Amino acid sequence: QITLKESGPTLVKPTQTLTLTCTFSGFSLTTSGVGVGWIRQPPGKALDWLALIYWDDDKNYSPSLKSRLTITKDTSKNQVVLTMTNMDPVDTATYYCAHKFKTTATFDYWGQGTLVTVSS
Amino acid sequence: DIQMTQSPSSLSASVGDRVTIICRASQSIRTYLNWFQQKPGKAPKLLIYATSTLQSGVPSRFSGSESGTAFSLTISSLQPEDFATYYCQQSYSFPYTFGQGTKLEIK
Repeated sequence: QITLKESGPTLVKPTQTLTLTCTFSGFSLTTSGVGVGWIRQPPGKALDWLALIYWDDDKNYSPSLKSRLTITKDTSKNQVVLTMTNMDPVDTATYYCAHKFKTTATFDYWGQGTLVTVSS
Repeated sequence: DIQMTQSPSSLSASVGDRVTIICRASQSIRTYLNWFQQKPGKAPKLLIYATSTLQSGVPSRFSGSESGTAFSLTISSLQPEDFATYYCQQSYSFPYTFGQGTKLEIK
């Protein structure tokens, strides 16, 4: 059974750096074809893909946010970490991590999401 | 970036109705089109991937297809639990992009 869960601060101040951790179980990020991605959703708005890391440490980022994002993995802890620098109120959103496998070529299992509010 | 455009943005229907949601891509995405269902306060749920393949556990009243440059999600007979927001997403190339969503409401 694949599960993912996001953790991190619920409130950050403008200009601060956000660090979110995705802790997962039921799969390994050392298995060929497996990836973990981050997607966010501002309140009342659509989904917005942010970043993706693969089993082989290949990484992809949203071009509009690439300069602010870093995604890393710790396979020993079954965790993926996303950092986003220079946070702004427009970054207020629910942040989801999700599992991706080559079979579906998309995000087939999602965490519950964590709401991050950016405010002074 | 590949733009994904859904129509309609919202839709009112009754239990038992057949409904179709359309998604168009700004360029070719081959069959790398996926559909998600999202209920308020919940994470998105994958319904269909690769245009027409039903994810495990998804009821057969959901189906996906392609016609020219348009992709469609059809629910053959709406059930009360189907009232939600639906998103299309392309996974053909980075950056992955989602449609703006279609909110399906009870008439």
